[in-house]
Amino acid sequence: DGGITQSPKYLFRKEGQNVTLSCEQNLNHDAMYWYRQDPGQGLRLIYYSQIVNDFQKGDIAEGYSVSREKKESFPLTVTSAQKNPTAFYLCASTPLGTANTGELFFGEGSRLTVL
Amino acid sequence: KNEVEQSPQNLTAQEGEFITINCSYSVGISALHWLQQHPGGGIVSLFMLSSGKKKHGRLIATINIQEKHSSLHITASHPRDSAVYICAADQPKLIFGTGTRLQVFP
Repeated sequence: DGGITQSPKYLFRKEGQNVTLSCEQNLNHDAMYWYRQDPGQGLRLIYYSQIVNDFQKGDIAEGYSVSREKKESFPLTVTSAQKNPTAFYLCASTPLGTANTGELFFGEGSRLTVL
Repeated sequence: KNEVEQSPQNLTAQEGEFITINCSYSVGISALHWLQQHPGGGIVSLFMLSSGKKKHGRLIATINIQEKHSSLHITASHPRDSAVYICAADQPKLIFGTGTRLQVFP
């Protein structure tokens, strides 16, 4: 079955540590996205990538980094520079559309808690 | 004012009731998405529409481009429909609403 796999589902981190969240898709989609979800707020875009070895900052990229070395993989690193990293993180992908984003496919999410 | 507004924020229904969730947006769009977030956190795409109406099973989505408004309807609601429903305006940059939490009781 095609889909998006995120890991880990739950992650605890001490302040000052970097953590990397994994996102893998086998849908052969060109575009991949990382979103952050906080209570009472809509999803906010962290980074996105439309092609291998290229990615763009979203609305809240500060304190995060990504890479896109393979089409199917788009890991997100939450660095110690991120001031408030406790949140639910969602990875998504779409076939690269023209007029619009295209049908969205999401992973199950990763919940990060900073202790 | 948020660019994408959903109403109501919370909705409680008895099994079998007809449900309507509303989404209004203030930006130009190429499409509008309806998403379902289940209690575990994962999100599933329900509809992507740019005009008119779409139907999948008991779910119906409509959009009025002139009025910048979309609705998601659930007919004969069931407890398994309990979830958060999110609309997103596609510019193609996506702007998400804050979601409508639906609880359907037997």
